[in-house]
Amino acid sequence: GDSVTQMEGPVTLSEEAFLTINCTYTATGYPSLFWYVQYPGEGLQLLLKATKADDKGSNKGFEATYRKETTSFHLEKGSVQVSDSAVYFCALTVYTGGFKTIFGAGTRLFVK
Amino acid sequence: GAVVSQHPSWVICKSGTSVKIECRSLDFQATTMFWYRQFPKQSLMLMATSNEGSKATYEQGVEKDKFLINHASLTLSTLTVTSAHPEDSSFYICSAPVPGQGLNTEAFFGQGTRLTVV
Repeated sequence: GDSVTQMEGPVTLSEEAFLTINCTYTATGYPSLFWYVQYPGEGLQLLLKATKADDKGSNKGFEATYRKETTSFHLEKGSVQVSDSAVYFCALTVYTGGFKTIFGAGTRLFVK
Repeated sequence: GAVVSQHPSWVICKSGTSVKIECRSLDFQATTMFWYRQFPKQSLMLMATSNEGSKATYEQGVEKDKFLINHASLTLSTLTVTSAHPEDSSFYICSAPVPGQGLNTEAFFGQGTRLTVV
């Protein structure tokens, strides 16, 4: 079935460090890929998305590239800030008789 | 912009009572809404897909008689947790895709409802 696997956390980084959160997926058909962020005590917000192979989504210094050959959508940021501390969810949307969004387990990031 | 509003943001209820959670789409019509449950430090688990004017579609393992879903209008879906028990305590989140975007559709999420059953 369709699924999303992302690296386990928590990830703890110092301010200005480089961030990578790995995400791989399995899907029938051609999904769209998303990264969502959940700040403490809040709901989820869309961070970035990519809808076809080799597309790069970017927002707030974060970026991720849709890699069809490796079925991956890794999240990166060159220099993290304390305010980036949150839980990051990789997700895909597929159409199986209706649109469905499937989430990875989430990766908690602490920036100190 | 498109917003999904969820109410209440938190609720405490006694075991055996029922609780209703509302999810409204603001500035757009949502023929489909999704209900998720999130356990502490875990991902969102899709519970059911709410369809306007028809029955909800429940994911495997979700008790439809316990989690009643009503999608009475194009802007409102409700989730009622019936005869709640402490194990139902969780964070419930609704979402709605903005229609017309196909697979590019991002999901707009409500703020979530933290349910505590005592």
